[in-house]
Amino acid sequence: EPEVTQTPSHQVTQMGQEVILRCVPISNHLYFYWYRQILGQKVEFLVSFYNNEISEKSEIFDDQFSVERPDGSNFTLKIRSTKLEDSAMYFCASSQTGYGYTFGSGTRLTVV
Amino acid sequence: GDSVTQMEGPVTLSEEAFLTINCTYTATGYPSLFWYVQYPGEGLQLLLKATKADDKGSNKGFEATYRKETTSFHLEKGSVQVSDSAVYFCALSSMNTGFQKLVFGTGTRLLVSP
Repeated sequence: EPEVTQTPSHQVTQMGQEVILRCVPISNHLYFYWYRQILGQKVEFLVSFYNNEISEKSEIFDDQFSVERPDGSNFTLKIRSTKLEDSAMYFCASSQTGYGYTFGSGTRLTVV
Repeated sequence: GDSVTQMEGPVTLSEEAFLTINCTYTATGYPSLFWYVQYPGEGLQLLLKATKADDKGSNKGFEATYRKETTSFHLEKGSVQVSDSAVYFCALSSMNTGFQKLVFGTGTRLLVSP
């Protein structure tokens, strides 16, 4: 069964550093998403991406965050200057039609 | 805004016990409702869904009924197995132009012992 692949599974970074989380969506999918879960809290929508542009972003997704689909296969989330409160599990998801997701297994980001 | 509330965990059961995980929601309009499951080290997997009032979603012995009058979507299973140990997330979709955005609850960890 096709999978959404996220790398790395766990990343530790120092506060203030830039970090890039990588995702390989399912190859024929057109809609891409990032969600995050701070430990013990809700899974929260960050951003959706379609046709090479952001469709919608949450208020969490401020100027420190950006997304890119650089080469037609990868979908990346960049955090420019990480803060302690960015520590969370980040989930990538993709969808062929915009309805019905396939999620990746997540990247646990720890900011120290 | 839309929100989902689910019971705190962990829920600890013995094998073959009956499972209920409560979920209630607040939403404008008529959302679709979902249960997702996350097994250790894996991603979020869709377990079941219901798209309108009184629909029952079911999969792998799990069931949930969309109750509009009580704004609930409780997850049930008649006889749990050790392999059901996982984190269960209730979610709703808030409809937006062109795509579906999910609003999740905090998740409930289920631990099943032999």
